[in-house]
Amino acid sequence: KQEVTQIPAALSVPEGENLVLNCSFTDSAIYNLQWFRQDPGKGLTSLLLIQSSQREQTSGRLNASLDKSSGRSTLYIAASQPGDSATYLCAVRRSGTYKYIFGTGTRLKVLA
Amino acid sequence: DTGVSQNPRHKITKRGQNVTFRCDPISEHNRLYWYRQTLGQGPEFLTYFQNEAQLEKSRLLSDRFSAERPKGSFSTLEIQRTEQGDSAMYLCASSYLSGPECYEQYFGPGTRLTVT
Repeated sequence: KQEVTQIPAALSVPEGENLVLNCSFTDSAIYNLQWFRQDPGKGLTSLLLIQSSQREQTSGRLNASLDKSSGRSTLYIAASQPGDSATYLCAVRRSGTYKYIFGTGTRLKVLA
Repeated sequence: DTGVSQNPRHKITKRGQNVTFRCDPISEHNRLYWYRQTLGQGPEFLTYFQNEAQLEKSRLLSDRFSAERPKGSFSTLEIQRTEQGDSAMYLCASSYLSGPECYEQYFGPGTRLTVT
């Protein structure tokens, strides 16, 4: 059974810091992994999608890496801004299924 | 295209009543997902459609839940005989499958259900 864990559960940093969010999964037979952000009471916004054959993806100040063999992904946010404050979720899709399993998220607060 | 839309945005119902939610995906997207999210948790997969075919359904979904996607366009999720434990945010997402590629999911704003 695939389980997805995100550490830390909450993080508070001053503006301008670079930070790393972690996502680990127990079954390395994944099809892809996706990172999302969610603002309070809202739906999810896709940030980055990494296929199982890829090692990393970049979009602006965001960089996501994937290490299937160790069951880990990291989301790196450079030069954090107060507007980055949100909950960040990772989701994995196991090979042979259409089902996505989500972690419980990391609540990020960037202080001005 | 304005993205994935969901209606209603909020629904308050009494225990035992039936409710139906609607999701309109991005027009060219052939994949559609339903999830349920409770406070402090990540979304929990409920079901998946490819075009009009329901290809996967969570074992967590009881017989009181049913979903349809007639003609492969909009989808509805119905909950019969609602219980207080059904109170949650119900999220819909869509994506586009072309060949071996699987594109990212785009989520709607959700329908918040409160069962009193």
